[in-house]
Amino acid sequence: GAVVSQHPSRVICKSGTSVKIECRSLDFQATTMFWYRQFPKQSLMLMATSNEGSKATYEQGVEKDKFLINHASLTLSTLTVTSAHPEDSSFYICSARGLVPGLVTDTQYFGPGTRLTVL
Amino acid sequence: GIQVEQSPPDLILQEGANSTLRCNFSDSVNNLQWFHQNPWGQLINLFYIPSGTKQNGRLSATTVATERYSLLYISSSQTTDSGVYFCAVLSGNTPLVFGKGTRLSVIA
Repeated sequence: GAVVSQHPSRVICKSGTSVKIECRSLDFQATTMFWYRQFPKQSLMLMATSNEGSKATYEQGVEKDKFLINHASLTLSTLTVTSAHPEDSSFYICSARGLVPGLVTDTQYFGPGTRLTVL
Repeated sequence: GIQVEQSPPDLILQEGANSTLRCNFSDSVNNLQWFHQNPWGQLINLFYIPSGTKQNGRLSATTVATERYSLLYISSSQTTDSGVYFCAVLSGNTPLVFGKGTRLSVIA
């Protein structure tokens, strides 16, 4: 099946620093990538949608200058949390959508997530 | 946008019991997926099921698209079934929209 990887899986950083999270689709070309955030015991909330080579579309309430998204290729998207604060601590999950050989439906596949802790 | 409601929010089962989880959605969908989120946070896709019924081992799912709901059945539950079960829907070209999940605890 299609695989989406994320790196790092866990990161602890000091308040004020920036953290970059990578998301890669390993065996298919992702026409669109999505970034979700999940706080403890809550559901996944969409932060932004990005298409390769164009600017990301952010959901209401998500600061685009704080959460920088770069979708450099059809297999790579990065999320940079700039000047992180303790309230940014969360579980960040990327997702990629594309046509996967052997599957008819254009579906979304999820990475394993990155747990960010800001001290 | 489309609304997704899941019930019950929490469920505690004795090992070996059966359960039914429900997902209601407010508009027509292209696709519907059931996920299990394990204790490490990984989302495991259980079913792609925009309509009809599918079965995979002890799990089965039914979606009645005309009535805008889906059911996930877990039979002979095991402690490893514990976790959060999410229903998510795809409508048009929008991203997957998630329900709030059902937190399942199976006790021995």
